[in-house]
Amino acid sequence: GEDVEQSLFLSVREGDSSVINCTYTDSSSTYLYWYKQEPGAGLQLLTYIFSNMDMKQDQRLTVLLNKKDKHLSLRIADTQTGDSAIYFCAESKAAGNNRKLIWGLGTSLAVNP
Amino acid sequence: NAGVMQNPRHLVRRRGQEARLRCSPMKGHSHVYWYRQLPEEGLKFMVYLQKENIIDESGMPKERFSAEFPKEGPSILRIQQVVRGDSAAYFCASSRPGQGSMAEAFFGQGTRLTVV
Repeated sequence: GEDVEQSLFLSVREGDSSVINCTYTDSSSTYLYWYKQEPGAGLQLLTYIFSNMDMKQDQRLTVLLNKKDKHLSLRIADTQTGDSAIYFCAESKAAGNNRKLIWGLGTSLAVNP
Repeated sequence: NAGVMQNPRHLVRRRGQEARLRCSPMKGHSHVYWYRQLPEEGLKFMVYLQKENIIDESGMPKERFSAEFPKEGPSILRIQQVVRGDSAAYFCASSRPGQGSMAEAFFGQGTRLTVV
């Protein structure tokens, strides 16, 4: 199958950590991505992880990958109001066109002051 | 270096008209990708183009939709005889040749098509 699933909403308080979860079904996925979309704006690549890695950290962002469970998470430390946006998880395949991303529906993150 | 430029940002068409969406890739980028974001649905891959060549069009609807990326000028996504179900945000991304994933691709701001 080609499903990427995410919870639709997450609400956190400013300063707390946010954890956005994603599950995927294709074990042949090579890259897994996290994108951010602000209202009316384009898609900004936040970070990505190659499938042979377990973890990747980039400033306030930490990506964890559990290949066995096909589970990906994005942790945002010290969440700020500017982090309010929709966060998309996406995967690409090992075979064929690896520019063809399969996307989740997005998690809408609301950060409350 | 300007980013990926899409125009128009907003496009309104009546049912039956044609819609032309333009994407100018970043300088030095010769690969272009089109994705569609339908309301209440996720983003879906449509087509992957290199200059004068369609690499993968497996996500393109069989009828009314076409895409091109000529040697000169922007990539064009063309939708003929638009219907209400074509209302969506259409995103273009571009990347340099020889890069192995979308990690090196940049997205434009999108064109929001509304069919009335």
